[in-house]
Amino acid sequence: GAGVSQTPSNKVTEKGKYVELRCDPISGHTALYWYRQSLGQGPEFLIYFQGTGAADDSGLPNDRFFAVRPEGSVSTLKIQRTERGDSAVYLCASSLTSGRYNEQFFGPGTRLTVL
Amino acid sequence: KNQVEQSPQSLIILEGKNCTLQCNYTVSPFSNLRWYKQDTGRGPVSLTIMTFSENTKSNGRYTATLDADTKQSSLHITASQLSDSASYICVVSANYGGATNKLIFGTGTLLAVQP
Repeated sequence: GAGVSQTPSNKVTEKGKYVELRCDPISGHTALYWYRQSLGQGPEFLIYFQGTGAADDSGLPNDRFFAVRPEGSVSTLKIQRTERGDSAVYLCASSLTSGRYNEQFFGPGTRLTVL
Repeated sequence: KNQVEQSPQSLIILEGKNCTLQCNYTVSPFSNLRWYKQDTGRGPVSLTIMTFSENTKSNGRYTATLDADTKQSSLHITASQLSDSASYICVVSANYGGATNKLIFGTGTLLAVQP
């Protein structure tokens, strides 16, 4: 496809469970970003990859959150021991490069609900 | 602290009317300012990107302005259409050196266009 895709579109889980959220960036985009958006709020930065490496993970709220991008394309955001406060829409974006005027293209998001 | 504030929080207008959304920011070091449109259940889509030296930029019926001295921006929508109903998010990019930017998102203005 031409755009950023994210799966699943919706995920409902129970408190304490482990979840994985997947992001497929636009082909050829080297930079990939994860954001979290709570209801009525703007997206908050979580982590940014340049290629395979995490260039900036300062937005990850705690060590229950982890993300990987092993081949420099698809990325997975992993959340351990989920808590109700983790409920949010998780957005992924990609850009051709990480240059200062790069345009980030967003996916539709994964809505995570922790019961 | 880097912050982006938007007003109003929400706005209802009649189809065909014009409207202006406001954004104030305290972000340093400033790199560029972007306006995004986010439809319900979708990821944000970029409307405009403006650098420090640009004070206006148009994209169809959308016109963004930037006053870097007062750290204010506005998004003017002309001849509104029902499809303009969405959240409009002001995003300021901070550059901490090198090519990497960090995006700071506002909470958005929720626009409803009624027939």
